[in-house]
Amino acid sequence: AQSVTQLGSHVSVSEGALVLLRCNYSSSVPPYLFWYVQYPNQGLQLLLKYTSAATLVKGINGFEAEFKKSETSFHLTKPSAHMSDAAEYFCAVSDNSGGSNYKLTFGKGTLLTVNP
Amino acid sequence: GAVVSQHPSRVICKSGTSVKIECRSLDFQATTMFWYRQFPKQSLMLMATSNEGSKATYEQGVEKDKFLINHASLTLSTLTVTSAHPEDSSFYICSASRLAGYNEQFFGPGTRLTVL
Repeated sequence: AQSVTQLGSHVSVSEGALVLLRCNYSSSVPPYLFWYVQYPNQGLQLLLKYTSAATLVKGINGFEAEFKKSETSFHLTKPSAHMSDAAEYFCAVSDNSGGSNYKLTFGKGTLLTVNP
Repeated sequence: GAVVSQHPSRVICKSGTSVKIECRSLDFQATTMFWYRQFPKQSLMLMATSNEGSKATYEQGVEKDKFLINHASLTLSTLTVTSAHPEDSSFYICSASRLAGYNEQFFGPGTRLTVL
């Protein structure tokens, strides 16, 4: 069974400040890990993904995440927040063995607000 | 590439009526499509997984007779909410996976269902 825990349902930062959104996972097999962003009343957009290649993954819009197996973490960071980064962020884990058609299990989400 | 559309984007219906939501992969063939439900300020919950030409696999607790899923072609899946009630009001999101290789999911923009 897989699970994802996102620490902090709401994170607030100032424009230009570091963004850090935390994600810890649990998986009985080597995982695939994802970060998605959701703007109000829209679907999910993939920010980045880890699929067992490089542990430091760079994504769109200046975001990156590092896979740390020893800590079972996949935290999302961005050096400098923009107002346009304000959205809901979801971390997700998938079984990379192909079982269950690579079903995704999502965390509960973290709402990021960016203050001017 | 890898664009998924949903129609309609919003629908309002009266209690007791049925509503059909379409999910289309516009520029790729989708072996598998997933249907999610999202309540306000909550995460996505997988409702069912459908493979083209096969019966959908429903998650535990999802009523098969209430949420009818049809995946008739490699580019189209439909979700029909039968005899809708106000508690079925939600944001429904579909995703689709390609034919070959690692089956990353591509998400549609979602459909907001309001049952009066």
